[in-house]
Amino acid sequence: EAEVAQSPRYKITEKSQAVAFWCDPISGHATLYWYRQILGQGPELLVQFQDESVVDDSQLPKDRFSAERLKGVDSTLKIQPAELGDSAMYLCASSFDRLGIYEQYFGPGTRLTVT
Amino acid sequence: KNEVEQSPQNLTAQEGEFITINCSYSVGISALHWLQQHPGGGIVSLFMLSSGKKKHGRLIATINIQEKHSSLHITASHPRDSAVYICAVGSGGGADGLTFGKGTHLIIQP
Repeated sequence: EAEVAQSPRYKITEKSQAVAFWCDPISGHATLYWYRQILGQGPELLVQFQDESVVDDSQLPKDRFSAERLKGVDSTLKIQPAELGDSAMYLCASSFDRLGIYEQYFGPGTRLTVT
Repeated sequence: KNEVEQSPQNLTAQEGEFITINCSYSVGISALHWLQQHPGGGIVSLFMLSSGKKKHGRLIATINIQEKHSSLHITASHPRDSAVYICAVGSGGGADGLTFGKGTHLIIQP
């Protein structure tokens, strides 16, 4: 069964360092989402792509976060510089238009710890 | 912005008990999702519904659009059902990013 792939699964970094996460959606899924989940809370949308275009990045802290999906397939989320408050689970999800129904499929997540 | 509230936040029950988790939201939606998250962090989609009721094995999800309320039921609960159950809603267009509740941490004791 096709899955959303993410790497790395775990990342420990020092504050002020740069960190990057990678997501490979299910083949054929045009829509890709990055979510951030702080411990004990539900995920929050950071950015949404439709193919290579950003559809919604209103909650992305653009002073330090960037996201790209250059060829409309895999995507990279970068944080530079990382801050202690960035410690969280970063989840990637993808979906496709199945006759107007968009069920999201989630990857295993990247757990980031900033020290 | 949609506000999604779940109750209870934590629930401990004995194996075999009937479990109900509730979700309410503030603004009309295109679909409501019930998701399961295990300690490793990965999220699995259990249901996506926009009306009525869906059933999959021992899990049942219902939604009342007029009341802006949904419930997830687990019949004959088992320790392997222990997980965080998250309600999430999509508003506007179907491909919109989801708004999540904080989750219900369920523990089923043998």
